[in-house]
Amino acid sequence: SQTIHQWPATLVQPVGSPLSLECTVEGTSNPNLYWYRQAAGRGLQLLFYSVGIGQISSEVPQNLSASRPQDRQFILSSKKLLLSDSGFYLCAWSLSRGGEQFFGPGTRLTVL
Amino acid sequence: GNSVTQMEGPVTLSEEAFLTINCTYTATGYPSLFWYVQYPGEGLQLLLKATKADDKGSNKGFEATYRKETTSFHLEKGSVQVSDSAVYFCALIKAAGNKLTFGGGTRVLVKP
Repeated sequence: SQTIHQWPATLVQPVGSPLSLECTVEGTSNPNLYWYRQAAGRGLQLLFYSVGIGQISSEVPQNLSASRPQDRQFILSSKKLLLSDSGFYLCAWSLSRGGEQFFGPGTRLTVL
Repeated sequence: GNSVTQMEGPVTLSEEAFLTINCTYTATGYPSLFWYVQYPGEGLQLLLKATKADDKGSNKGFEATYRKETTSFHLEKGSVQVSDSAVYFCALIKAAGNKLTFGGGTRVLVKP
């Protein structure tokens, strides 16, 4: 069966520091991968998606970036965090476009 | 653009009560519809789905029917348990799309 992992589970970072969140999927090949952010009072927002290694699409302009160095690895990064980057970051995968997406356990990021 | 509207919570119920969470959507074409559940501090779990009009999704005693004529996908459960306390999200995705569009979520609290 497929599983999705995210780490770290929680992170507290100062403003202006860099960020790296990692997501890996097991038990499937060539998944579509997604990064969502769940911010208080703002619902769930798609940030990035990837349909293959090195292929990244951005949904929302921001100071975050994403990379997919391996088939089942998806990384969310920032060079300098802002207070507004605080939130719950969720990675998800799907087998195909238009299909259901399966979410990881999430990373809670607090920027102070 | 696409949008999903859910009834605002919190919804407070007694154990064994009947639960209904209303969800309506706006979308072009024929989207797939989903209900996700989020327990405190966790990621989203897919609860059920429906991919075409009149489909009924069901899982763990929950049901929802894809009603194209009323653009609705209401979630129901006949007898809730304390363990059903969570936040429930209605969502849609366009055919061959990458982005899940979520409603704002409905918090449900079931008291013993």
